Amino acid sequence: AQSVTQPDIHITVSEGASLELRCNYSYGATPYLFWYVQSPGQGLQLLLKYFSGDTLVQGIKGFEAEFKRSQSSFNLRKPSVHWSDAAEYFCAVGAPTSGSASKIIFGSGTRLSIRP
Amino acid sequence: DTGVSQNPRHKITKRGQNVTFRCDPISEHNRLYWYRQTLGQGPEFLTYFQNEAQLEKSRLLSDRFSAERPKGSFSTLEIQRTEQGDSAMYLCARVPISGETQYFGPGTRLLVL
Repeated sequence: AQSVTQPDIHITVSEGASLELRCNYSYGATPYLFWYVQSPGQGLQLLLKYFSGDTLVQGIKGFEAEFKRSQSSFNLRKPSVHWSDAAEYFCAVGAPTSGSASKIIFGSGTRLSIRP
Repeated sequence: DTGVSQNPRHKITKRGQNVTFRCDPISEHNRLYWYRQTLGQGPEFLTYFQNEAQLEKSRLLSDRFSAERPKGSFSTLEIQRTEQGDSAMYLCARVPISGETQYFGPGTRLLVL
């Protein structure tokens, strides 16, 4: 069965420091992979996605992620975080449904705090 | 703006009451999904529609839950005889006709007292 693991429940980094959020997935074929961000009490905003092609994916707000098939990973990175990046981050994988479409399996999230 | 609106944004109800939530995508998209998110967890898939047809339902969707998409545009999710365990954020997502990316609405937060 498809699954997503985000091993870090909570990470604190200083403003201006670099960031890497870890994500490992379990999926038999080439997956659709996503990173979403959620501010408190809000819905989910798509940061970036990987379907195929270049394994380094650029997203919004200066984020990027790298798909590594050999490690079943899709880690999210940002070279310099801003206080406004404080939020919950979810890694997700697209999984097949009984129809021809896919549903999304989410990880349990990583809460990012920013130290002034 | 993700092109998905949900109403109400917040709902407080007493145990045993029925509640209904509505999801309106920006246009008649091919697919529409419902997810549930409990505190401290990632969203979990509940069900999805392709046009009017409900094609898959999660085991999380007990008999007290029913979802409809009568004209292939907006969708409703009803919970009958609510229980305290139903307290969660209910999220709706749309998928454009030519794509696989899900765009989420702001959610409806339900609190069952």
